[in-house]
Amino acid sequence: DAKTTQPPSMDCAEGRAANLPCNHSTISGNEYVYWYRQIHSQGPQYIIHGLKNNETNEMASLIITEDRKSSTLILPHATLRDTAVYYCIVIGNNNDMRFGAGTRLTVKP
Amino acid sequence: DSGVTQTPKHLITATGQRVTLRCSPRSGDLSVYWYQQSLDQGLQFLIQYYNGEERAKGNILERFSAQQFPDLHSELNLSSLELGDSALYFCASSADGATNEKLFFGSGTQLSVL
Repeated sequence: DAKTTQPPSMDCAEGRAANLPCNHSTISGNEYVYWYRQIHSQGPQYIIHGLKNNETNEMASLIITEDRKSSTLILPHATLRDTAVYYCIVIGNNNDMRFGAGTRLTVKP
Repeated sequence: DSGVTQTPKHLITATGQRVTLRCSPRSGDLSVYWYQQSLDQGLQFLIQYYNGEERAKGNILERFSAQQFPDLHSELNLSSLELGDSALYFCASSADGATNEKLFFGSGTQLSVL
């Protein structure tokens, strides 16, 4: 499975959009990009995933570049409860989901 | 609530002991995953089962073993415990462990080895 690179930490003002980048330059054509988050010591929570097209759900939007080498998770109106570690993961032919270090997002009032 | 149940929530034991962590997947899910999260290692994938069979193996120590039972619940057995085994252990489940499936995580078991 492709490796991902994320910034270790980011800050965002409450009510503003949080844009979390992820690089996955070695991604293969059949590999999906998944995003999870972990609030404090709770179990990770699924946010969104995509293959080629941009995706949106009630939690977030996922923008994948045309060459698929990077993506951005967008939380449109961040709240204090969105403070968490966000993991970008690339998954291939199995569901062997290996997490990296993630990005620690801090939403500030 | 993810629908994945892990017991116990907290476990305190001594070095050299053996413990068993239990996981009940979401109703209908056939695949179970185990992860270990320690402060210095992040979330480490240990092992995956699908319908009772081992499907993928990660960084699982030989002192650790797991199984998935016919009713699909899973147990993670940790033996000859060391101080460094202190960590949060998460279980996750998915429908059939195939590609493009989201995982649903339990709330974890906090293991403290003293």
